[in-house]
Amino acid sequence: EVQMVESGGGLVQPGRSLRLSCAASGFTFDDYAMHWVRQAPGKGLEWVSSISWNSVITGYADSVKGRFTISRDNAKNSLYLQMNSLRAEDTAFYYCVKARDYYMDVWGKGTTVTVSS
Amino acid sequence: QSALTQPASVSGSPGQSITISCTGTSSDVGGYNYVSWYQQHPGKAPKLMIYDVNKRPSGVSNRFSGSKSANTASLTISGLQPEDEADYYCSSYTSSTTWVFGGGTKLTVL
Repeated sequence: EVQMVESGGGLVQPGRSLRLSCAASGFTFDDYAMHWVRQAPGKGLEWVSSISWNSVITGYADSVKGRFTISRDNAKNSLYLQMNSLRAEDTAFYYCVKARDYYMDVWGKGTTVTVSS
Repeated sequence: QSALTQPASVSGSPGQSITISCTGTSSDVGGYNYVSWYQQHPGKAPKLMIYDVNKRPSGVSNRFSGSKSANTASLTISGLQPEDEADYYCSSYTSSTTWVFGGGTKLTVL
């Protein structure tokens, strides 16, 4: 069964950093690009970042560019999101998502990030 | 990276058909056949329902169909069932090599 399990979320003060992790299983991880997608409380989905299978190509939403860094470790079947200079508006549920061509075919259950003093 | 435009809500009775629109620009919806649709029940992760405008993943009911005309994509659900009540989001690949979602549509089955 294809599965992604996110971890690393929590409560953090504005301006601080947090690193999310995603453990993937059930598929050949290094065959696929991956995404992070977030959802603020009561709001819609927002694409955050993506990374190619070999880490050569990365992309970011304007709202996080320069503050967030996506990375992966194919040997560990893991995806990461380093989030720096966090703001209140980064408060959201963060989903790790497996990519398939130009769509997102399997979603993790997510992890909550709350930015508050 | 402006969000795609979806109606905030739609409703229908069991057995009826409904259509949810998703309007973008020539830089996203209109420029690529890479529109996908996701269903999200409360407290759950989104689920892929349609990809590449009109393709259904294995296991998704054929009551769900997708189409596109110019800058507007549509999701049609026929033979509405109570379990179809959920939020629906469209998404498109963009010319900036990013992805964009719609604001979401709440479907109520009356």
